[in-house]
Amino acid sequence: DAKTTQPPSMDCAEGRAANLPCNHSTISGNEYVYWYRQIHSQGPQYIIHGLKNNETNEMASLIITEDRKSSTLILPHATLRDTAVYYCIVRGGGKLIFGQGTELSVKP
Amino acid sequence: KAGVTQTPRYLIKTRGQQVTLSCSPISGHRSVSWYQQTPGQGLQFLFEYFSETQRNKGNFPGRFSGRQFSNSRSEMNVSTLELGDSALYLCASSLDGLGVTIYFGEGSWLTVV
Repeated sequence: DAKTTQPPSMDCAEGRAANLPCNHSTISGNEYVYWYRQIHSQGPQYIIHGLKNNETNEMASLIITEDRKSSTLILPHATLRDTAVYYCIVRGGGKLIFGQGTELSVKP
Repeated sequence: KAGVTQTPRYLIKTRGQQVTLSCSPISGHRSVSWYQQTPGQGLQFLFEYFSETQRNKGNFPGRFSGRQFSNSRSEMNVSTLELGDSALYLCASSLDGLGVTIYFGEGSWLTVV
């Protein structure tokens, strides 16, 4: 019962911005959007989260549309180490509901 | 400060046995949740504990159980292991509440043979 839809895979050239889209059309008013990434065989790594305002931290920027039905994670200057599966998650209460994520491949 | 610590990192069990996995959350975090990750099903929520009480539960059979201690450390137990229980089991902790960061451990790899 994942609440998010993401493209299964994307490619990005090293040094360029990676823009990862996510649809969450059924999001409720008090549900946050979280982004995590997972490098093979490791635990998911927190990237960023937001409610309705755009957010930026040292890793990425999160752009949430005004109607909150979709969002975009932006990695401003992708490196080879950013190759991972990226999960967009809507947090419902105390649990994270993971979808299948986007497998991002950063290529030289 | 130390991150979420899970033990053991790797283990192999035989069908029918039981297993206990341990999780130490980040200091000060009171919410601990568990997830199962398999190639076929992806990451699935098992349960969440807060102040020694189970607060949320996913759709897993009763063979999967957990508990939380007064120091917020948590354990999960799987009884009567089946081959399909082979997975990466992840623990996550947070302070509590909506809009807070949730941190994951590196997981425990369970193989059932």
